[in-house]
Amino acid sequence: DAGVTQSPTHLIKTRGQQVTLRCSPKSGHDTVSWYQQALGQGPQFIFQYYEEEERQRGNFPDRFSGHQFPNYSSELNVNALLLGDSALYLCASSYDKAYEQYFGPGTRLTVT
Amino acid sequence: KQEVTQIPAALSVPEGENLVLNCSFTDSAIYNLQWFRQDPGKGLTSLLLIQSSQREQTSGRLNASLDKSSGRSTLYIAASQPGDSATYLCAVLTGANNLFFGTGTRLTVIP
Repeated sequence: DAGVTQSPTHLIKTRGQQVTLRCSPKSGHDTVSWYQQALGQGPQFIFQYYEEEERQRGNFPDRFSGHQFPNYSSELNVNALLLGDSALYLCASSYDKAYEQYFGPGTRLTVT
Repeated sequence: KQEVTQIPAALSVPEGENLVLNCSFTDSAIYNLQWFRQDPGKGLTSLLLIQSSQREQTSGRLNASLDKSSGRSTLYIAASQPGDSATYLCAVLTGANNLFFGTGTRLTVIP
């Protein structure tokens, strides 16, 4: 059983560009959450998707958007990249009623 | 707003020593508390999950306790090994089903 997978592993972008990160949840999971982890910090909640809708959102600007597909996989999009968006982006999946989240290996985004 | 604090920020111990990592949270209305391990540049590995109704969980040399009323948890590592060197993160799950993380404790076990 594959766990949570994320792609790509690493990404380098220039300020002002747009980026899309992808996540496939663990088999049987229907909920996907995204977190941003800046260097030396704990992960910060970006948003959560359930039944293809954004169910809740953390304190992140509208430049951060997402999508969930019918197969429960998800994308995180970031527009107009800033240097401060450089971070490790973590995806976590869960079964809606189980309240335990399983994390993927992350995507390291560097904005130059 | 939930805030999670971990003390100490960094810890260095000789191999074989027992150690305790601390985590505190401000809002006791949590569903569970998880301890994670993170190696440099890597994702999160779940170590232990304690439901809000539980007091502790054990896995091998690890034991985690939870005192929800006082907003505290501890992670006890017995007989530390160099392979235990990593950052340990504590996170609480709220009713909104999202995790609030501390900033972590960076552990170094010296051979």
